[in-house]
Amino acid sequence: DAGVIQSPRHEVTEMGQEVTLRCKPISGHNSLFWYRQTMMRGLELLIYFNNNVPIDDSGMPEDRFSAKMPNASFSTLKIQPSEPRDSAVYFCASSRRLAGNNEQFFGPGTRLTVL
Amino acid sequence: KNEVEQSPQNLTAQEGEFITINCSYSVGISALHWLQQHPGGGIVSLFMLSSGKKKHGRLIATINIQEKHSSLHITASHPRDSAVYICAYFNNTDKLIFGTGTRLQVFP
Repeated sequence: DAGVIQSPRHEVTEMGQEVTLRCKPISGHNSLFWYRQTMMRGLELLIYFNNNVPIDDSGMPEDRFSAKMPNASFSTLKIQPSEPRDSAVYFCASSRRLAGNNEQFFGPGTRLTVL
Repeated sequence: KNEVEQSPQNLTAQEGEFITINCSYSVGISALHWLQQHPGGGIVSLFMLSSGKKKHGRLIATINIQEKHSSLHITASHPRDSAVYICAYFNNTDKLIFGTGTRLQVFP
């Protein structure tokens, strides 16, 4: 199993540009999570999907952030327009979400730098 | 006040030492995650447990649901164990609530 795949691994962009982060969850997993990690705030949940449906997006900072999951094997997190304060590592995680076992498996992360 | 408290925040050890990292939480939970984040940034799931004890190699995790406390032990520590260890629990909407992490450095 390849694990959770994220791309790109690193992204450097200028303020105002659109940024799209991509995630492929582990095959067979039906829940997908987007997290952001910064030194100041640690790991924060942005949004999660169950069976491709967004369940809780209360962690999405503002309207500049949007996430989609068009099918079970792909999700995107988009920031438009990007700002320097969006600089962080963005992790995608997936889980099988069975009763009593919601263990999450994390991707390698995308390190985003907005200049 | 963070809902998940870890101690210590920073820990240094000599190779071979027995390591204990503690995690306390304030609400009733059904399961707790231990995660490891290496200096390169990747996050690895170590354990998910809801009762008792689990062991994987040199790592042992225990949880006492009644006392709202979990511990992660590393036996015969090695420099490659140097990482940030994070405990997290699932809240009633299945969201992970993270601790602040314990930064471990093991010196040869």
